[in-house]
Amino acid sequence: DTAVSQTPKYLVTQMGNDKSIKCEQNLGHDTMYWYKQDSKKFLKIMFSYNNKELIINETVPNRFSPKSPDKAHLNLHINSLELGDSAVYFCASSQRYFGRREKLFFGSGTQLSVL
Amino acid sequence: TQLLEQSPQFLSIQEGENLTVYCNSSSVFSSLQWYRQEPGEGPVLLVTVVTGGEVKKLKRLTFQFGDARKDSSLHITAAQPGDTGLYLCAGAGAGANNLFFGTGTRLTVIP
Repeated sequence: DTAVSQTPKYLVTQMGNDKSIKCEQNLGHDTMYWYKQDSKKFLKIMFSYNNKELIINETVPNRFSPKSPDKAHLNLHINSLELGDSAVYFCASSQRYFGRREKLFFGSGTQLSVL
Repeated sequence: TQLLEQSPQFLSIQEGENLTVYCNSSSVFSSLQWYRQEPGEGPVLLVTVVTGGEVKKLKRLTFQFGDARKDSSLHITAAQPGDTGLYLCAGAGAGANNLFFGTGTRLTVIP
């Protein structure tokens, strides 16, 4: 069983559309994250949730809205997609919220291409 | 945002060679992690170092945290094709409330 699974793996869409990426973890972790990896492979945090509560909301456009229905799920909805949103989006989880020794478990990524 | 610069950005070596990847910052981190990412997959944690000067070994990989906790290095001995991948360092901020990733080093080991 995959520890952190996200769907879809690939997402190709037109500018202006609305799309969602789903993420589920079966590790029993308290904290989940969304990261964005750009074309230069730079990985930057977007959001983190701890026990369904939003903890980190980096300078991400309002068009991005995370939703955590329960501890095991963190979905990402994106409105009015723009060309610059093209990237690989990674979901991750950790046992607790960012401690010095916390290990992040990543999903395999969703490659979003906005045409 | 605390910037972690990795060098080199790209590295292509022959199987059996040794290499070192560096991760540098002007900021102090409470801990430093190294991840390896393969194409089409998410990063996978290799090691966490917490104490300044700490050295950890994972088979042929040796990780060191700088004395001032601002930098780290990853040394690979006798590289193998299976070591090929994107290596990312990541530093936990002083309040341990965020994890900042480095710019990445893409390693290719040629058989």
